[in-house]
Amino acid sequence: DGGITQSPKYLFRKEGQNVTLSCEQNLNHDAMYWYRQDPGQGLRLIYYSQIVNDFQKGDIAEGYSVSREKKESFPLTVTSAQKNPTAFYLCASSITENTEAFFGQGTRLTVV
Amino acid sequence: AQSVSQHNHHVILSEAASLELGCNYSYGGTVNLFWYVQYPGQHLQLLLKYFSGDPLVKGIKGFEAEFIKSKFSFNLRKPSVQWSDTAEYFCAVKGRASGYSTLTFGKGTMLLVSP
Repeated sequence: DGGITQSPKYLFRKEGQNVTLSCEQNLNHDAMYWYRQDPGQGLRLIYYSQIVNDFQKGDIAEGYSVSREKKESFPLTVTSAQKNPTAFYLCASSITENTEAFFGQGTRLTVV
Repeated sequence: AQSVSQHNHHVILSEAASLELGCNYSYGGTVNLFWYVQYPGQHLQLLLKYFSGDPLVKGIKGFEAEFIKSKFSFNLRKPSVQWSDTAEYFCAVKGRASGYSTLTFGKGTMLLVSP
């Protein structure tokens, strides 16, 4: 069953801890993206990657880091430097950079 | 930089009413345009897309959108809404930036359809 898998669905962390969100796709898509969704803010781009071993900062990259060592995987680390990490995080992928994106189910991160 | 503006944050309609959600984008180059929908508790799904050709695009579940290049608009329409259309709707644009295409979203419109 092809798609984008984000895990876990819910994540709780203590303030000051780094946390890594998983995103895996078996669609053979080249491009992958991380978005953050906050109520009334829409989706804001954190990082994106068009090919393996390459990624670019989005609009709100501060306090986040990513890696793209494999085509199917694009994990996002929320570091302790992120001032307001509690949010809903969405991973997406697209066949190429210029096609529509498909989204995972999201991870709701709560930092206490 | 590209940006997307959605006119209404919340819309409340009765079943069978007609729907039009406004979307304007700011970008001078070639763009691809999208409408996504997020039903309660579900993931974001593609409703329809425009890349080129006929500016009137038909999507799933009876939705359509019209690209008006001169107005930088891509409004979403449905002649008769159903209770099951209750969801959040996002307009998005993909243009060229620094050699890559990034997908920029509007802030979303929450549609509530009352039975």
